[in-house]
Amino acid sequence: ELKVEQNPLFLSMQEGKNYTIYCNYSTTSDRLYWYRQDPGKSLESLFVLLSNGAVKQEGRLMASLDTKARLSTLHITAAVHDLSATYFCAVDGIYNNNDMRFGAGTRLTVKP
Amino acid sequence: DTAVSQTPKYLVTQMGNDKSIKCEQNLGHDTMYWYKQDSKKFLKIMFSYNNKELIINETVPNRFSPKSPDKAHLNLHINSLELGDSAVYFCASSQDSPLVNTDTQYFGPGTRLTVL
Repeated sequence: ELKVEQNPLFLSMQEGKNYTIYCNYSTTSDRLYWYRQDPGKSLESLFVLLSNGAVKQEGRLMASLDTKARLSTLHITAAVHDLSATYFCAVDGIYNNNDMRFGAGTRLTVKP
Repeated sequence: DTAVSQTPKYLVTQMGNDKSIKCEQNLGHDTMYWYKQDSKKFLKIMFSYNNKELIINETVPNRFSPKSPDKAHLNLHINSLELGDSAVYFCASSQDSPLVNTDTQYFGPGTRLTVL
């Protein structure tokens, strides 16, 4: 069964600092998503990573995928308050009946 | 030891039918959610329940109705199914109310609904 683990689950950081969120998954897949969720809102798609070594950047966020290690990272550079939200990774189990599995989310709080 | 489970996993039905999707969580969480995932993998929140009260209701058609017999279950009933209802529906649960803060959420495996 495909399992997805994120860490940390809670992250409090100062503005201007850098940090990385990790997403590990248990079975072969080459399609990984990162989402952002603001309180009580829908999950907004941030990145879709489709192949080993894929790297995508949008503003202060950069996501990468290592399919051999079954690991994706979401790196935050020079955090600002507007980045405070919950970030989810999700993996498409394309070798597992197309089941999609979500991590539990990382609640990021950026403090002034 | 599945934390959030959904049944059925796949549902194929004719237009106009009425169907239900069930969701159960064994985490003791207070809040449960239903999301609809579109073709671009965007997850739109549909409903959430906290202590048996509906606290979020995005603008979804009246044909969709959530029902929570107890804190561990949140079922989704859909009447008069339409072609556009075809999607993957995800159930999730969290400890806290989403209006207080976005706590970590545990998602079910999804139910792929196909309306013919």
